[in-house]
Amino acid sequence: QKEVEQDPGPLSVPEGAIVSLNCTYSNSAFQYFMWYRQYSRKGPELLMYTYSSGNKEDGRFTAQVDKSSKYISLFIRDSQPSDSATYLCAMSVDNTGKLIFGQGTTLQVKP
Amino acid sequence: DADVTQTPRNRITKTGKRIMLECSQTKGHDRMYWYRQDPGLGLRLIYYSFDVKDINKGEISDGYSVSRQAQAKFSLSLESAIPNQTALYFCATSIQGSNQPQHFGDGTRLSIL
Repeated sequence: QKEVEQDPGPLSVPEGAIVSLNCTYSNSAFQYFMWYRQYSRKGPELLMYTYSSGNKEDGRFTAQVDKSSKYISLFIRDSQPSDSATYLCAMSVDNTGKLIFGQGTTLQVKP
Repeated sequence: DADVTQTPRNRITKTGKRIMLECSQTKGHDRMYWYRQDPGLGLRLIYYSFDVKDINKGEISDGYSVSRQAQAKFSLSLESAIPNQTALYFCATSIQGSNQPQHFGDGTRLSIL
């Protein structure tokens, strides 16, 4: 079993929909949680970063961490075609930068 | 100009060949990382370096080696390439500190026949 599990999708939604992307993990020592977005033929770019449990909001994006359930989510409100990409969750135990990534979920937002 | 540049962008080679992938950065970051990305497996850390004299193995270092020639340059070598090393390889950089964002290059697509 992988340490971090993420539904690979693909996920297809109409423009304007609310999107929910999720990851589960098995290592209770994870403290730092990130979401990266990766466009086709590009490297991942950091979208959201959360330390420990709680919510964080940035514009149309909200990241949630539930450490008791070992579950993290990324919500995208009012989704746009430009949000079409692969979304990767990543997490780490400490501040060394050694990240464990999920498999990535491919999202398509249709106009 | 890209802050994190990977060369080559694409490479096709044969089993048994020695391959070097290069990464250079203009961000002035101390930390550099090499990952590989495979369908269904996400990104996995191969090696990382916190400064020129510091090299550390990641999750999947077997079959790979690295060299940190300068703060701005970090190369990944496959001494004797094998087909299951066919993947997309990414270099990333970050500044020192608690989980600072990692900035990725655009990747090298490597195919080993």
